[in-house]
Amino acid sequence: AQKVTQAQTEISVVEKEDVTLDCVYETRDTTYYLFWYKQPPSGELVFLIRRNSFDEQNEISGRYSWNFQKSTSSFNFTITASQVVDSAVYFCALRRGGGSNYKLTFGKGTLLTVNP
Amino acid sequence: DGGITQSPKYLFRKEGQNVTLSCEQNLNHDAMYWYRQDPGQGLRLIYYSQIVNDFQKGDIAEGYSVSREKKESFPLTVTSAQKNPTAFYLCASSIGRGTDTQYFGPGTRLTVL
Repeated sequence: AQKVTQAQTEISVVEKEDVTLDCVYETRDTTYYLFWYKQPPSGELVFLIRRNSFDEQNEISGRYSWNFQKSTSSFNFTITASQVVDSAVYFCALRRGGGSNYKLTFGKGTLLTVNP
Repeated sequence: DGGITQSPKYLFRKEGQNVTLSCEQNLNHDAMYWYRQDPGQGLRLIYYSQIVNDFQKGDIAEGYSVSREKKESFPLTVTSAQKNPTAFYLCASSIGRGTDTQYFGPGTRLTVL
């Protein structure tokens, strides 16, 4: 069975602070994919990143960075110098690799509030 | 512009009525999905379809039905058998093979009165 845990239900920061959102996953598969999505107040889920299980390189995209560590089954997301527009619910998700089952298993999400 | 559209944005229905939520995509994606989101919860998969005229149940299919007659369209019917239909419903699509990423529509918020 697959499982994604986002232990932080809500985080509140002041603008310009750095913030890290935690994601821990469970899977028996050797090939899998991890995702982060952002859900702003409008409701639509916006795709941020996909990482496959064979690529443990950290990734940086502007103020966003992701730290993937297979040894701890974690895929954490850091926002540097947060802005009010970063306020949203962030979801981490897991998908099996290979085959034809493309089902995503989501965590329950972390509500990030960035205050001015 | 390419994308996924869901209509309507807000939907109100009386208890006991069936209601159909629309999902259309012009991304030429083979696979489409329906998820349900409840407050404070992650998304849960209702149904998915990897090809036209074929679909499979997800984790919470009871009380829902779907059809996939066209590649672009994947409507979801919430039937009167669904005990707690009030929720936010999100449709997604993906290429349907390989390193697959799902892209989501804007969602429909259904309220059953």
